[in-house]
Amino acid sequence: DAGVTQSPTHLIKTRGQQVTLRCSPKSGHDTVSWYQQALGQGPQFIFQYYEEEERQRGNFPDRFSGHQFPNYSSELNVNALLLGDSALYLCASSFPTVNTEAFFGQGTRLTVV
Amino acid sequence: KNEVEQSPQNLTAQEGEFITINCSYSVGISALHWLQQHPGGGIVSLFMLSSGKKKHGRLIATINIQEKHSSLHITASHPRDSAVYICAVEWETSGSRLTFGEGTQLTVNP
Repeated sequence: DAGVTQSPTHLIKTRGQQVTLRCSPKSGHDTVSWYQQALGQGPQFIFQYYEEEERQRGNFPDRFSGHQFPNYSSELNVNALLLGDSALYLCASSFPTVNTEAFFGQGTRLTVV
Repeated sequence: KNEVEQSPQNLTAQEGEFITINCSYSVGISALHWLQQHPGGGIVSLFMLSSGKKKHGRLIATINIQEKHSSLHITASHPRDSAVYICAVEWETSGSRLTFGEGTQLTVNP
């Protein structure tokens, strides 16, 4: 079992550009959640996908969008990048119910210059 | 506002010491997670609990639902335990999304 895999591991982008991050969930998991972790802080919830639809969304602007594919993999897209978008982006997969263990990927380190 | 608070922010211990990290939260939860994050960034789930106490090796996690408080204990600490320990909760009203504390940076010296 490969667990949760994210790609790429590191990425450098210029302000104003667009970026796409990818996540493959743990085998058997159908729910994918995305988190943003700024340096020295705890992760912040961006959104969650289940059955190819956005099920919940945190307090992030519309520049942050996502997608889930029929194989449960997911993408996070960020448009019009700002310096403040520099962070570690974490993907977690789980079953859709509460009180279920979440498995995290290694994250994608995004640097906006 | 639903909040999760951890203490201490930073903790330095000598090898072999007993360590406690605390987590408090503001309103009712479905579950509380203790997670470990190493410098590379990846997060590993240590415990998920909604009541009582769980033990795995040298790690013990407890939760008091009435007091809205949880503790993570590490017995006989070792330098390889050095990491950031994060408490995260699932609020009763927010499904399975996690709200995280700021984390506790633990350094165990040999």
